[in-house]
Amino acid sequence: SQTIHQWPATLVQPVGSPLSLECTVEGTSNPNLYWYRQAAGRGLQLLFYSVGIGQISSEVPQNLSASRPQDRQFILSSKKLLLSDSGFYLCAWNRQGSGNTIYFGEGSWLTVV
Amino acid sequence: GIQVEQSPPDLILQEGANSTLRCNFSDSVNNLQWFHQNPWGQLINLFYIPSGTKQNGRLSATTVATERYSLLYISSSQTTDSGVYFCAAYNTDKLIFGTGTRLQVFP
Repeated sequence: SQTIHQWPATLVQPVGSPLSLECTVEGTSNPNLYWYRQAAGRGLQLLFYSVGIGQISSEVPQNLSASRPQDRQFILSSKKLLLSDSGFYLCAWNRQGSGNTIYFGEGSWLTVV
Repeated sequence: GIQVEQSPPDLILQEGANSTLRCNFSDSVNNLQWFHQNPWGQLINLFYIPSGTKQNGRLSATTVATERYSLLYISSSQTTDSGVYFCAAYNTDKLIFGTGTRLQVFP
């Protein structure tokens, strides 16, 4: 069966420090991969998605970047965090193709202080 | 881009009551999913429902793609149903989330 893991689960970082969140998927190959952010409140905003190694699409201009160094690995990074980067970050995957079921990781709580 | 709207934004129920959550989308979509976000933030898949009706225990969902809406029914609600319910619609290869309905069920 397929599983998705992301880490760390929780982190508190000072303003101006770097960030690296990692996500891996097991049990499948060539998945679509996604990073979402949920700020205070309830909405989920799509940040990045990837349909293959090295292929990253950015949905909104921001202080963050994403990379996909391996087929089932998706990394969210920042060189210098801002207070506004605080939030709940969720990695997700689904199979290639049109509109397949999407599955989410456990999420990472980021607080920038 | 596609817009996904949910109503009501907040819902307070007493245990045992029934409820209907609505999701409207502004354009044709490839598919639609319903999620429940528990108090710990985890997103749990409820339904993958491009059209028609599906049922899973006390929950059921109906999507009418031609009229661009989906409904989630919760019957005999329990306190464990509390949380935020999201619908999300596929537009080509991206899943766009609605604004969510926050449900609180009291004993």
